[in-house]
Amino acid sequence: KNEVEQSPQNLTAQEGEFITINCSYSVGISALHWLQQHPGGGIVSLFMLSSGKKKHGRLIATINIQEKHSSLHITASHPRDSAVYICAVLPRLQGAQKLVFGQGTRLTINP
Amino acid sequence: NAGVTQTPKFRILKIGQSMTLQCTQDMNHNYMYWYRQDPGMGLKLIYYSVGAGITDKGEVPNGYNVSRSTTEDFPLRLELAAPSQTSVYFCASSYAYIGAGGETQYFGPGTRLLVL
Repeated sequence: KNEVEQSPQNLTAQEGEFITINCSYSVGISALHWLQQHPGGGIVSLFMLSSGKKKHGRLIATINIQEKHSSLHITASHPRDSAVYICAVLPRLQGAQKLVFGQGTRLTINP
Repeated sequence: NAGVTQTPKFRILKIGQSMTLQCTQDMNHNYMYWYRQDPGMGLKLIYYSVGAGITDKGEVPNGYNVSRSTTEDFPLRLELAAPSQTSVYFCASSYAYIGAGGETQYFGPGTRLLVL
């Protein structure tokens, strides 16, 4: 079993829909990162969370430390949001810099 | 600022050849990282560095070497390339610790490597 599991693996939606991507992990963590990988391959860091909720534009990330679960929400989705969204955790026990990544969720927003 | 730059963008190697993947950042970041991304798999950490002269192994270091002689540069060396090293390699950097209360990472555009 992977330490970081994302669901769904693939998601297709229509423009304007509310999107939720889930991330579950099995170890104690110091922080959780959400990243976006563009169709061209470039990777951008979206959020880093250790508790609660963060919002940036139409993106909202939440984390529940007790349940070992995080969600990434996109409101009013747009075709330019089409990308692979990656969850990564920083395990508390494995050393400060060793992120463990999920396999990613491929999101396609159709116009 | 150029951010994190990587060269080359794409390379084909024959089995047993060696090469160096270059990574440079101009943000004065202390921490630098090398990841590989295999198709359908999550990113995996190869090596990282917390400052010039200091490097440490990540999850999948076998077959690779690194050095960090300056703050800006963090080259990744492949000795005796093998087909299992076919992957996309990403370099990343951060100013400080990427844990709680710390920093996010900035990624380079990636190097696609094919070993035949």
